[in-house]
This record gives sequence, structure tokens and C-alpha cells, in this order.
Amino acid sequence: DTGVSQDPRHKITKRGQNVTFRCDPISEHNRLYWYRQTLGQGPEFLTYFQNEAQLEKSRLLSDRFSAERPKGSFSTLEIQRTEQGDSAMYLCASSSREANTDTQYFGPGTRLTVL
Amino acid sequence: DAKTTQPTSMDCAEGRAANLPCNHSTISGNEYVYWYRQIHSQGPQYIIHGLKNNETNEMASLIITEDRKSSTLILPHATLRDTAVYYCIVTSGGSQGNLIFGKGTKLSVKP
Repeated sequence: DTGVSQDPRHKITKRGQNVTFRCDPISEHNRLYWYRQTLGQGPEFLTYFQNEAQLEKSRLLSDRFSAERPKGSFSTLEIQRTEQGDSAMYLCASSSREANTDTQYFGPGTRLTVL
Repeated sequence: DAKTTQPTSMDCAEGRAANLPCNHSTISGNEYVYWYRQIHSQGPQYIIHGLKNNETNEMASLIITEDRKSSTLILPHATLRDTAVYYCIVTSGGSQGNLIFGKGTKLSVKP
């Protein structure tokens, strides 16, 4: 257990529905990341927060995706009008700069299945 | 694209050392080498990282060549629970930003 938690662990939804995932980072970590992982591939970066500011977004993050971190603590990732291609594992990671490194610690992920 | 090259798969006998190689010939002077592993259906687990010196922790050792163009992750006494996909990632540590994962090496530890 890294101290990063994600909820739910599994989500099954029908195409066209909206879904929201939550990530709670390690408490003192000010940086939070979202990644997506499809079967047989490594995780791919989606977006990154430093405190409450969203500093970077991947081109993978279409306009159906939105992420927030309103108080600089937990974060939510919402997918609107889900498509079958959104089926994947959604991973959250957090980090805090120490010395000159910034090691990311991952949560267990939320597995989304879109029917 | 990932900045690293790793073998697709490797086997190791239980109790023996597992040596996982990684090539990162385009690494920059301020970039660190990170290793993560991912056991089936779990989130990636941080193992170790280094800049230019060899590093050791309770999980593994990291050997980085003098020219920093390649490295080896060593699991000294592999167990069946070490069966996982191992990712070698190069990233600038000061502002790590996003990690770029390749496909990693699938390590199978066999009894």
C-alpha cells in the first residue's frame, strides 16, 4: 500500500453514461497525476496538478474528460458520454519534491469497463 | 515515445538473481533512471532510481554504466512474487512531470 487510494476500484457503465473517479494522494504530496492504461500497454499520462493548479494536459485528454483538484488534496476525473474506447485502467499517482527528485507513487487504479 | 529500450521478456529461476537490462543512449545530464514494476492488475510500484552512481535499497540494486547510456536492475534473490512487468524510465528529476512508460520487460520467475 503506497498511501494513494482510488475509488471505485472497478466501474462498469453503459456507453453514453458519465463516470467520475476519485483519487486521494499521500497527504503531504502537492503533485498529483492521472494516467490511463489499456491492455498490454504501459500507462499513458493524462494530466498533472501542482496543488490545485492543473499544469499539464495530454492530447489524450479529449473534451469529454475533465479533472479537478479543488482544494489541492483529493482529485476527481470525470468522463462524459463514455465510449467503449474509454475502457481502461485509470491510475493516479502523487509526489512531493525531495532533494532533486520527484518520485511518483501510484494508487491501485480504477478499472473502467464501458459496455 | 519512450526514451528507453528493454527486452520484451525474461525468465529467472526462483532464488537466483534477476538482471534486467535497459538502454537509454539519449539520456541527458540532468535525467534520472527510474524503475517501476507492475504486478498483474495492480498500480505500478516504485523500485529504485539513480542519476549516475549505483544505488541499492531493500528491494533491488541499480547499476548505471559510466557513460550512463545503459543500466541494469538487479533483484538479488528473485521470488515468485517478483513476477511482473518491469519498466525502466528516464526522466528529469527536478520537474518530473509525466512519466513516459514503454512496454517494459515481462519477468517470469519460475520455481
